[in-house]
Amino acid sequence: SQTIHQWPATLVQPVGSPLSLECTVEGTSNPNLYWYRQAAGRGLQLLFYSVGIGQISSEVPQNLSASRPQDRQFILSSKKLLLSDSGFYLCAWSPGGQGGFGANEKLFFGSGTQLSVL
Amino acid sequence: GNSVTQMEGPVTLSEEAFLTINCTYTATGYPSLFWYVQYPGEGLQLLLKATKADDKGSNKGFEATYRKETTSFHLEKGSVQVSDSAVYFCALKTSGSRLTFGEGTQLTVNP
Repeated sequence: SQTIHQWPATLVQPVGSPLSLECTVEGTSNPNLYWYRQAAGRGLQLLFYSVGIGQISSEVPQNLSASRPQDRQFILSSKKLLLSDSGFYLCAWSPGGQGGFGANEKLFFGSGTQLSVL
Repeated sequence: GNSVTQMEGPVTLSEEAFLTINCTYTATGYPSLFWYVQYPGEGLQLLLKATKADDKGSNKGFEATYRKETTSFHLEKGSVQVSDSAVYFCALKTSGSRLTFGEGTQLTVNP
């Protein structure tokens, strides 16, 4: 069976510090991978998605970046965190081969990382 | 721990049919409950929410009532449209915890 691991669960970082959140998927190959963020009082916002190694699409301009160094590894990074980067970050995966979003796509989420930038 | 169980899809309906997507939950404490929707080609977005027992969340003709006695938060719409075709996610959050999502239910509405 497929599993998705995301860590850390919570993180408190000072403004201007770097960030690295990691997500790995097991039990599947060539998944589509996603990073979402939920800011306080708002719905989930798609930040990045990837359909393959080294292939990253950004949905919104921001202070963050993503990388996919391996097939089942997706990393969210920042060189210098801002206060506005605080929020709840979710990694997700879906079966690959759909070239991105599809009408029948189902998403499987990690347990999330609560990031507080102080 | 927290968990969300959603009605398995896919669900296929004709336009103007009545929709119910079941959602039940297990939680420690008193959760807030959410329905998220993902339209084709887009990311997830919040559809509606309820923060305490007997609250009814509503948006775009969709409704869901927080039923503590049955630990449920079923999504309903009286008359679906083709544009409602999407994947729907039930979710919960308790104080200090992370969002817990169901696996999603694919809805297809045919004209």
